[in-house]
Amino acid sequence: DGGITQSPKYLFRKEGQNVTLSCEQNLNHDAMYWYRQDPGQGLRLIYYSQIVNDFQKGDIAEGYSVSREKKESFPLTVTSAQKNPTAFYLCARRPLPYEQYFGPGTRLTVT
Amino acid sequence: RKEVEQDPGPFNVPEGATVAFNCTYSNSASQSFFWYRQDCRKEPKLLMSVYSSGNEDGRFTAQLNRASQYISLLIRDSKLSDSATYLCVVNMLTGRRALTFGSGTRLQVQP
Repeated sequence: DGGITQSPKYLFRKEGQNVTLSCEQNLNHDAMYWYRQDPGQGLRLIYYSQIVNDFQKGDIAEGYSVSREKKESFPLTVTSAQKNPTAFYLCARRPLPYEQYFGPGTRLTVT
Repeated sequence: RKEVEQDPGPFNVPEGATVAFNCTYSNSASQSFFWYRQDCRKEPKLLMSVYSSGNEDGRFTAQLNRASQYISLLIRDSKLSDSATYLCVVNMLTGRRALTFGSGTRLQVQP
């Protein structure tokens, strides 16, 4: 794997429920990112964190929340305020100032 | 205008063919450049970085033209296993250092 794990692989929820997606890395990297991918589109940045206990909004943060209490963990909560939550969610780590490496992703379906 | 633009394809080519993908980016302050490969329903994986001098990795050659804000990827001797979506990606080396993705170009190599 890319040194980063996400769970679960598939997640199904009813509309109106909050859901938390897990992202864990075991390589001691400071920077982690959450992206969302919709069919036929590029990835879009939701939130990022460059250090423990600090995180910043990305381009589409509305309806999402994150925490970074430990270096190895960066969970994403999709709240009921997110209008179109069904998507492929990808977490990434950034070991150097340049490229990023992704986890296997979580496919969320909300009905 | 999208920050990173790619021809969505699909490019349908026979095995052994040479195929080229192009990409343009709008932010002249972009400082690092990549091609990622994404298989169907999987996470993007780093294929190669793109350097100003051009670089090659086996059958893959990447070129960057900063003046024209243009990036290319050439695949020689296409294999069936090259079938995937190729994502053009740019990065700022300041601030959040998040990646900006193109929507991808789909390649289908046929026997």
